[in-house]
Amino acid sequence: GAVVSQHPSWVICKSGTSVKIECRSLDFQATTMFWYRQFPKQSLMLMATSNEGSKATYEQGVEKDKFLINHASLTLSTLTVTSAHPEDSSFYICSASTTGTSGSSTQYFGPGTRLTVL
Amino acid sequence: GQNIDQPTEMTATEGAIVQINCTYQTSGFNGLFWYQQHAGEAPTFLSYNVLDGLEEKGRFSSFLSRSKGYSYLLLKELQMKDSASYLCAVKDSNYQLIWGAGTKLIIKP
Repeated sequence: GAVVSQHPSWVICKSGTSVKIECRSLDFQATTMFWYRQFPKQSLMLMATSNEGSKATYEQGVEKDKFLINHASLTLSTLTVTSAHPEDSSFYICSASTTGTSGSSTQYFGPGTRLTVL
Repeated sequence: GQNIDQPTEMTATEGAIVQINCTYQTSGFNGLFWYQQHAGEAPTFLSYNVLDGLEEKGRFSSFLSRSKGYSYLLLKELQMKDSASYLCAVKDSNYQLIWGAGTKLIIKP
């Protein structure tokens, strides 16, 4: 149980284009979903937290107009990187939580999306 | 500020036991998590501790001491596939997950 999928697993795009990444909880309803990015040999960096049906909460320093997050249902959240540039190249990982952000709620991670912007 | 400390890298031998330590200083505490992350892959959940003591799950065990702000992950009967990074994360008073930088564990034959 608690399987999270992400699509695509990798994407290469030209600078200036927009890229959409989907995150789905396959066998549970995710009250809360999280988006992270991870640069090589560095730790996870939380970008934003989203609850179904409401606006995402972005971490300090993350541009909400550049990284658009939509959490339209309890099983789907999308991250759109708008006007991507080479510095946006990174490993983007989503996670989903079954019971919001309470103490015992566990985040289950998707397999990640490797974005390369040329 | 909030801080999670773990060793950057550790090396161990196949079949042996290794202990990965994690110390934390956070604003409040609502549980500590250990995740395993293989290179190029997303993290996978290993364990959750919220009360003091040892939680055992097969070859992996996790210990917590809230008064000391300390946890460790114990891996027994090491296998080559255990080579990975091990991430310690703590939920603070706002239920936000604070992540450590991870410990890269190298297993040698």
